[in-house]
Amino acid sequence: EVQLVESGGGLVQPGGSLRLSCAASGFTFSNYAMNWVRQAPGKGLEWVSIISYNSGNKYYADSVKGRFTISRDNSKNTLYLHMNSLRAEDTAVYYCAKEEMATIGWWGQGTLVTVSS
Amino acid sequence: DIQMTQSPSSLSASVGDRVTISCRASQDIANYLAWFQQKPGKAPKSLIYAASSLQSGIPSKFSGSGSGTDFTLTISSLQPEDSATYYCQQYKIYPRTFGQGTKVEIK
Repeated sequence: EVQLVESGGGLVQPGGSLRLSCAASGFTFSNYAMNWVRQAPGKGLEWVSIISYNSGNKYYADSVKGRFTISRDNSKNTLYLHMNSLRAEDTAVYYCAKEEMATIGWWGQGTLVTVSS
Repeated sequence: DIQMTQSPSSLSASVGDRVTISCRASQDIANYLAWFQQKPGKAPKSLIYAASSLQSGIPSKFSGSGSGTDFTLTISSLQPEDSATYYCQQYKIYPRTFGQGTKVEIK
C-alpha cells in the first residue's frame, strides 16, 4: 500500500528556513512525479509545487516562487521541500502527494509548519 | 492563473438525497479537472480525475461530469460518512489551482 510520511514541520521565526521531508513506500517512487500542497488553518487547499519523476521539471505557485525549492532523492525514496524567507502566511499543514493519472492520486497525512516570533 | 469557483460554498442535505456541487473554471481546461474529499482533521482523498473517471477504490455513488469550463460532482445517495468538504482542482496549466471548497453537511 502507498504510504507517504511527512516530517520536518515545526515552529520557525519569520525570515527563517525549514526543510520538509516526505518518505515514500509501497510504490516505485522513481517512476512518479510528486507534489506539495498546503492548507492554512481553517482555509482551503493551495497547490505549492511539483517535481517530475527524474527532477527534470519543477513548477511552483507564485506565492512561493524564489523562496521554496522542491527536490527529491530517488535512491532514498524521499521528497523534500526547502523553505526559505518564511512568512507568517506560510503557516499551514503541508501535504506530500503522489501523482497518478496526471493529477494527485494519493496524499500523506501532513506536517504542520508554524511561522511566528 | 486559472480561477476555480465552486458553488454552493456549503449545503445541508438529508440522508439519501442526491447532491450536486458545481465547479467553474475561468478559462477552458478541457477535462483536466479533479475532485477531492476532505473530512475534518484528515488529509484530503482523491475521488475523480479527468472530470469523470473514478480513482481506484472510490464507490460509484460519486460521479463527475463536464468539460471546458463547467463541471459537476454528484453524490447519488448521501450518507453520513459523506459529510466533508469537497474541492475541485484544474491541472491543465501551472500553477494548478483549487476551488474554495464546498462543505457538505447532513441534516
